[in-house]
Amino acid sequence: LAKTTQPISMDSYEGQEVNITCSHNNIATNDYITWYQQFPSQGPRFIIQGYKTKVTNEVASLFIPADRKSSTLSLPRVSLSDTAVYYCLVGDNNNAGNMLTFGGGTRLMVKP
Amino acid sequence: GAGVSQSPSNKVTEKGKDVELRCDPISGHTALYWYRQSLGQGLEFLIYFQGNSAPDKSGLPSDRFSAERTGGSVSTLTIQRTQQEDSAVYLCASSPGGAGYTFGSGTRLTVV
Repeated sequence: LAKTTQPISMDSYEGQEVNITCSHNNIATNDYITWYQQFPSQGPRFIIQGYKTKVTNEVASLFIPADRKSSTLSLPRVSLSDTAVYYCLVGDNNNAGNMLTFGGGTRLMVKP
Repeated sequence: GAGVSQSPSNKVTEKGKDVELRCDPISGHTALYWYRQSLGQGLEFLIYFQGNSAPDKSGLPSDRFSAERTGGSVSTLTIQRTQQEDSAVYLCASSPGGAGYTFGSGTRLTVV
């Protein structure tokens, strides 16, 4: 399993863009990169997934460089409600068993 | 159903008693996962079911923990002779086989 490394915590202010970077130096050819968001007292929620280059949806963007050894989750114009823990996972999209390990995540605090 | 349903949402039990936690996955999802999350911590993988294959039990912390998945749908996590260190939120997730997990809201277990 490819191990991931993320910052433990980040602070931001409302309206700013937040970028959270995840390192995954041992990513395999078949591995996808997936990000989850978790609010207190709730289960994690899928945000975005990508394989290479850039993926964008209504919530976030995911930037993946050519070597795929890292990825950056970008949250545009954060609000107080984006305060949560963000988890990066790496694994084979065709083998759900390879997506088992959640790291410690990044605790994002958005301040007014 | 529309989402992953877990019951009970809260459970308080006395040390030494057995408890059963239930998970109803999304209909048609072949993969089902159990995780444990202690207060302020990341997710700890417990067990994974994929279709009719033998479950991956590599994350179960002791032989007091067991899980079943009947008919490829509902799953029950059983903890025998509960200990105070078992107190945590137990999260269930299902997926259609890829990386897009859908989590339930969890069962908060308190052992007193």
